[in-house]
Amino acid sequence: GAVVSQHPSRVICKSGTSVKIECRSLDFQATTMFWYRQFPKQSLMLMATSNEGSKATYEQGVEKDKFLINHASLTLSTLTVTSAHPEDSSFYICSAKGLQRYQETQYFGPGTRLLVL
Amino acid sequence: GDSVTQMEGPVTLSEEAFLTINCTYTATGYPSLFWYVQYPGEGLQLLLKATKADDKGSNKGFEATYRKETTSFHLEKGSVQVSDSAVYFCALSKGPGRGSTLGRLYFGRGTQLTVWP
Repeated sequence: GAVVSQHPSRVICKSGTSVKIECRSLDFQATTMFWYRQFPKQSLMLMATSNEGSKATYEQGVEKDKFLINHASLTLSTLTVTSAHPEDSSFYICSAKGLQRYQETQYFGPGTRLLVL
Repeated sequence: GDSVTQMEGPVTLSEEAFLTINCTYTATGYPSLFWYVQYPGEGLQLLLKATKADDKGSNKGFEATYRKETTSFHLEKGSVQVSDSAVYFCALSKGPGRGSTLGRLYFGRGTQLTVWP
């Protein structure tokens, strides 16, 4: 079946640095990717939706200058947390939507745990 | 707004026990309802879904019935196995089309299930 990978799986960084998280669809072309954020014992919250080749659509309350999303190809989307602070520590999950065997479907990545010191 | 409320875990059961994980939702219109499962180190996987009232979704021995009168979509399994240990997420979607897994998803907080042999 289709697989969506995320890299890195976990990252620890100092406050003020920027962190890039990659989301790749491994055996299908993802026309749309979703980025979610999950705090401990909380729901997954949609942060933004990105379509290949166009600007991402951010959910209300999500700072677009803080969370930069690039979807430059049909297999890769990146989320960059700029000038990270401890409150950005969270679990970030992407999902990819695309065609597999002529049927549109959606798969989730395993997530990236970010800890900002 | 649209939301999903899921029973808090963790849930710990012995093998072959009966499982129920409660899920209720708040939504306008006619949402589609889903259960996702996340095994350790893996991405969320669609377990089952229901697209209209009284529909029953089923997969791998798990079942859930879309109850519009009680706005519920409780997950059940008659006899759990150790391999069912995972985190289960209830979710709803209202687009882009009914029954689609492709639109924006609203998730519950997730319920950790541990099954002991």
